Amino acid sequence: GIQVEQSPPDLILQEGANSTLRCNFSDSVNNLQWFHQNPWGQLINLFYIPSGTKQNGRLSATTVATERYSLLYISSSQTTDSGVYFCAVELYDYKLSFGAGTTVTVRA
Amino acid sequence: DTGVSQDPRHKITKRGQNVTFRCDPISEHNRLYWYRQTLGQGPEFLTYFQNEAQLEKSRLLSDRFSAERPKGSFSTLEIQRTEQGDSAMYLCASSRSDEQFFGPGTRLTVL
Repeated sequence: GIQVEQSPPDLILQEGANSTLRCNFSDSVNNLQWFHQNPWGQLINLFYIPSGTKQNGRLSATTVATERYSLLYISSSQTTDSGVYFCAVELYDYKLSFGAGTTVTVRA
Repeated sequence: DTGVSQDPRHKITKRGQNVTFRCDPISEHNRLYWYRQTLGQGPEFLTYFQNEAQLEKSRLLSDRFSAERPKGSFSTLEIQRTEQGDSAMYLCASSRSDEQFFGPGTRLTVL
């Protein structure tokens, strides 16, 4: 099956700092989504981004499908940004394959 | 537009008991998915429905697991003869197109 690798596995930030999370995938994909999992386990949709660049407030994402990677940018981080960020891809078969996640801790 | 809902949110059971979880998708979403997430891992696909038809099942879904989606609306996931290894978060998602939206999950603990 498709391999999805996220880096770094853990990230500790001071409030106000910027960061970049990376997602590499091993095959051409139909769908790529970024999620934030809150402490209660809910997966919150951040971006649906099979290609191109999108921005939503302090978050933005870029997917370069031809090179099989996606980046999630967090600017001016806040403590509420803490949690696990997942990248998930779909290979034209409706099943999302998730990476192992990046655990972000933002300290005040 | 309400989100995906799941019930119960938490379930504690003894090994060998049967459990059933319910998922209500976003209205008008014709696709419904079940995933399982163990501690420290990303969610893993279990099965998916298009309307009432179950179109794919992962090999993770042993014969103790069964899922239904009668009339293409809500779905149930049943685990028979639970084992300690079944302890996990069970997540439901729905979609109308490619983007999937997840419910809050049911956390199962098997003692």
